Amino acid sequence: DTGVSQNPRHKITKRGQNVTFRCDPISEHNRLYWYRQTLGQGPEFLTYFQNEAQLEKSRLLSDRFSAERPKGSFSTLEIQRTEQGDSAMYLCASSTGGLNEKLFFGSGTQLSVL
Amino acid sequence: GDSVTQMEGPVTLSEEAFLTINCTYTATGYPSLFWYVQYPGEGLQLLLKATKADDKGSNKGFEATYRKETTSFHLEKGSVQVSDSAVYFCALSDPTGGFKTIFGAGTRLFVKA
Repeated sequence: DTGVSQNPRHKITKRGQNVTFRCDPISEHNRLYWYRQTLGQGPEFLTYFQNEAQLEKSRLLSDRFSAERPKGSFSTLEIQRTEQGDSAMYLCASSTGGLNEKLFFGSGTQLSVL
Repeated sequence: GDSVTQMEGPVTLSEEAFLTINCTYTATGYPSLFWYVQYPGEGLQLLLKATKADDKGSNKGFEATYRKETTSFHLEKGSVQVSDSAVYFCALSDPTGGFKTIFGAGTRLFVKA
C-alpha cells in the first residue's frame, strides 16, 4: 500500500492558462474522489468515479473543470482558462466504496493563480 | 441536500482538559458518520466512524456517538494532549446521496502545555 499519490505538489500559473493535475489512487480502490479545499474550510466535493465511470459532478463546478479516469486507475483533473478564484488545494481520495467506506487522502496539489 | 455543521474554532485548551467539538448533520437517508483529522503538514486521515444510530466510534481516546434523534455526532476526549493539536472535520456518507462523503468546515484545536 503506497498510498494516494498526487502530482504536482504545487502549481503556480497565470490567469487564463490551463492546468492539469494527476492522482494515483491505492491500487485496489475502485472509487476515486476530487475535492477542493480553501483556507479555513473543509474539503468541498467536486466529483467522483466508480472505476472509470464518473458518477456525479458538483453543481458548483463550471464547464472549465473536467476530470477523467480513463482505465479506472489514475485520474486527471483539468482546469481550463484558470481564474484567481480557482486558487486552492485540490485533494484526491480513494476508497473501496460503500456505506462504511474510509477515504484515503493524498497530500494534495496547491494551485496558485496569479 | 446533505450538509454538516461544526462548531467554529479555534478551540484552545490546556493539556489534560476535556474536549467537545459539536457536529450536527442534515441528510436525506441514514448516513454513516465520520471524524477525520488533519495534523499540521499532513493529509486528512480517518479518526473514527459510526454507521448506525446509537453506535459509538472510538480511537486514540476520542469518542463520538451517533445520535439520530438530535442528528448529532459530537467528538469528545477526556484528557487532551499537545499532540492532539490539529484540525478536526466531521463528515457523512449518505446512501441516498450516492455514498459520496460530505465534510464540515473543520474545527481547529490548539492544546497548550
